[in-house]
Amino acid sequence: ETGVTQSPTHLIKTRGQQVTLRCSSQSGHNTVSWYQQALGQGPQFIFQYYREEENGRGNFPPRFSGLQFPNYSSELNVNALELDDSALYLCASSSRDSGRGETQYFGPGTRLLVL
Amino acid sequence: AQSVTQLGSHVSVSEGALVLLRCNYSSSVPPYLFWYVQYPNQGLQLLLKYTSAATLVKGINGFEAEFKKSETSFHLTKPSAHMSDAAEYFCAVGGSAIYFGSGTKLNVKP
Repeated sequence: ETGVTQSPTHLIKTRGQQVTLRCSSQSGHNTVSWYQQALGQGPQFIFQYYREEENGRGNFPPRFSGLQFPNYSSELNVNALELDDSALYLCASSSRDSGRGETQYFGPGTRLLVL
Repeated sequence: AQSVTQLGSHVSVSEGALVLLRCNYSSSVPPYLFWYVQYPNQGLQLLLKYTSAATLVKGINGFEAEFKKSETSFHLTKPSAHMSDAAEYFCAVGGSAIYFGSGTKLNVKP
């Protein structure tokens, strides 16, 4: 069984640029959630995709957007990067059909540095 | 709204000593509660999950947590710390979206 994978592992961008982060969900999972973990803090929920549609969003501006593809992989896009966007971005997959409180399995993350 | 508060950003114990990491939750509905562990430069690994089936939840690596509704607590314990337990531990609450605490870094002294 393949776990959650993310690419790239590290990324350096400059303020104002755009970035796309990718996530492949665990086999059999249909739900992908994205989290931002700033240095020294706990992860914060950005949004979740279930069967290719956004299914919940945290307190993040619209310049954070996403996609989920038919194979349940996902992308996180961030436009107009700001210095405060520097963080570890974590993707988690789960199986919505298993009921509420489904277990989310996390990938290793993408570390983004905005200069 | 759902949230968790972790008491103590850093905890230090000796190898072989009891580990106790504290977490209090706030939830307007019966909560699903989680403990995750994060090793340096890695993602999050699920230690255990509470789903109302039993108040004492056993997880991996010898960890367990007890759900106490009267105290709105979900503290994580391990009877005997091992050097490999040194990591950051996150308590979390939620259903489809998970809301994490600020984390507790566990240091294990030889």
